Amino acid sequence: NAGVTQTPKFQVLKTGQSMTLQCAQDMNHEYMSWYRQDPGMGLRLIHYSVGAGITDQGEVPNGYNVSRSTTEDFPLRLLSAAPSQTSVYFCATKTGSAGNTIYFGEGSWLTVV
Amino acid sequence: LAKTTQPISMDSYEGQEVNITCSHNNIATNDYITWYQQFPSQGPRFIIQGYKTKVTNEVASLFIPADRKSSTLSLPRVSLSDTAVYYCLVGPPGYSSASKIIFGSGTRLSIRP
Repeated sequence: NAGVTQTPKFQVLKTGQSMTLQCAQDMNHEYMSWYRQDPGMGLRLIHYSVGAGITDQGEVPNGYNVSRSTTEDFPLRLLSAAPSQTSVYFCATKTGSAGNTIYFGEGSWLTVV
Repeated sequence: LAKTTQPISMDSYEGQEVNITCSHNNIATNDYITWYQQFPSQGPRFIIQGYKTKVTNEVASLFIPADRKSSTLSLPRVSLSDTAVYYCLVGPPGYSSASKIIFGSGTRLSIRP
């Protein structure tokens, strides 16, 4: 019962490099999202998706791209990494049933130097 | 989702009961109230959810007055391991293309020996 799986867990990038953070879920949830969390701060929504082929911007979308070709996967792409993107990234899924039960992955720690 | 307001931080001692209140004046008729807990270096996890009156589980209780414009998360006899950030979310069941789930800064609870 994996739930929400994020890879990699840790990554160091140089400024200007691109990379993709992977998120996979096995709960058949239609809703998936990406958050970033800077030290001592709350979660900020980057992008979200309500189903395959549908994505939308959150609070802080600049510098990130997403796509949703399958229900299971929701990768987050950093186009040209900047030091300001140093953060912890969390992928989350949500049930479509009553309430707002959200399930989070374990996080991906990204450092841009 | 309805906008929520909760204290930035709270301090308490082991063995005490802790109550964290969340204000949500614009709650809609079909909105649920959900609380999440986040430990350092982990993603938030679901604690409790309610619609009205009182809900209790093995971790916490949730008190919701009749007007539903606020809610109180109650943690009985806290221990050091309850030190975490607590988030209050208010929203409808399911999701839509307008489902920007914003977490905010939460309440940072510190428990002392």
